[in-house]
Amino acid sequence: SQKIEQNSEALNIQEGKTATLTCNYTNYSPAYLQWYRQDPGRGPVFLLLIRENEKEKRKERLKVTFDTTLKQSLFHITASQPADSATYLCALPFSGGYNKLIFGAGTRLAVHP
Amino acid sequence: EAGVVQSPRYKIIEKKQPVAFWCNPISGHNTLYWYLQNLGQGPELLIRYENEEAVDDSQLPKDRFSAERLKGVDSTLKIQPAELGDSAVYLCASSVGQGSYNEQFFGPGTRLTVL
Repeated sequence: SQKIEQNSEALNIQEGKTATLTCNYTNYSPAYLQWYRQDPGRGPVFLLLIRENEKEKRKERLKVTFDTTLKQSLFHITASQPADSATYLCALPFSGGYNKLIFGAGTRLAVHP
Repeated sequence: EAGVVQSPRYKIIEKKQPVAFWCNPISGHNTLYWYLQNLGQGPELLIRYENEEAVDDSQLPKDRFSAERLKGVDSTLKIQPAELGDSAVYLCASSVGQGSYNEQFFGPGTRLTVL
């Protein structure tokens, strides 16, 4: 069955460094993948969607890659700031259809001054 | 533009009691979702509406959970009776279109604690 894996351990980095988060998936070849940000006590907020033929997508300090051979997406935040501290979720369309998303468990990022 | 509104934000009840959550999506969004999120996990879809029609309720525990979106706008999710394992955050989201590629806008969620 479809499986999404995100690093369950928190990622701690120093301000100004690049944060890289990983989303791996198995048993599926999704046409696209989404990334969301979630702050404590709040709902997820959409960040980026990347399609299988795009390989890389950028938005301000964010960069997402999509490697369909490795079945992996990488999410980068350059010049990280303490305000970037949050949990980042990747989401893929359900392999069984129904027009629904399956979310990973998320990776918590902590950016230290 | 107002975002997705949910109420209440917090609810504490004893097991076997009923509870209801309310959601008002962004104006003009035809698709409405109810998700359940356990601590340390991603949201899991409970039910999806296209206007007033529930088009995917395959993950909704129908013996105790029910939902409605009578006029295709706001929606209510009910649990009766609640069990200890229902303690979680219940998120509502909406989107313009029905495709899963559409950006989903989430509300702040209702944190339910069942004692």
